[in-house]
Amino acid sequence: QQPVQSPQAVILREGEDAVINCSSSKALYSVHWYRQKHGEAPVFLMILLKGGEQKGHDKISASFNEKKQQSSLYLTASQLSYSGTYFCGTEGQIQGAQKLVFGQGTRLTINP
Amino acid sequence: NAGVTQTPKFRVLKTGQSMTLLCAQDMNHEYMYWYRQDPGMGLRLIHYSVGEGTTAKGEVPDGYNVSRLKKQNFLLGLESAAPSQTSVYFCASSYPRYKAASGYTFGSGTRLTVV
Repeated sequence: QQPVQSPQAVILREGEDAVINCSSSKALYSVHWYRQKHGEAPVFLMILLKGGEQKGHDKISASFNEKKQQSSLYLTASQLSYSGTYFCGTEGQIQGAQKLVFGQGTRLTINP
Repeated sequence: NAGVTQTPKFRVLKTGQSMTLLCAQDMNHEYMYWYRQDPGMGLRLIHYSVGEGTTAKGEVPDGYNVSRLKKQNFLLGLESAAPSQTSVYFCASSYPRYKAASGYTFGSGTRLTVV
């Protein structure tokens, strides 16, 4: 029941925008987004708890459509520092099952 | 604050050997997790703990055991290492839902090679 991320990889020029999608087959309590640079640990970006909730973090924002069990991460006017692999992690609605299941990741490359 | 500290950072084992990976956190988090990361497969949950003295199985628990004797420490053991356990292992910790809507803090990882 791993969430599915799309696209698997994307290459952009600095200043372009990107959207990364995360889709689950089960009802969700929350969606997390993380970024991992090569050889480093994943770093938490944001958590979305309510259906339709949108959060922002500098020029990175995300939305959560609870009914469709989908979340999207938006990177606006991308910077070189945005390069890395992005993971969504989903948490089911079952009480007590507080553990994240991660997608396979989306590799984002930003070129000058 | 150190956050989440994992030791060792690198290890090479021979098939059949055993070892223990140590995870320590100083954020007073109740929940702790062990994930493995393999190319193209994202992060897969091995075992997790919701408090001192309690552990539970994740998605890929076979061949691993865990213990949480103290709130700040979570140990992952490999009883008899196999080449299929070659991976990067990440420990993470978090607050429970009822305390805070926050993300996981990950350690820097342990790169394990089994030959």
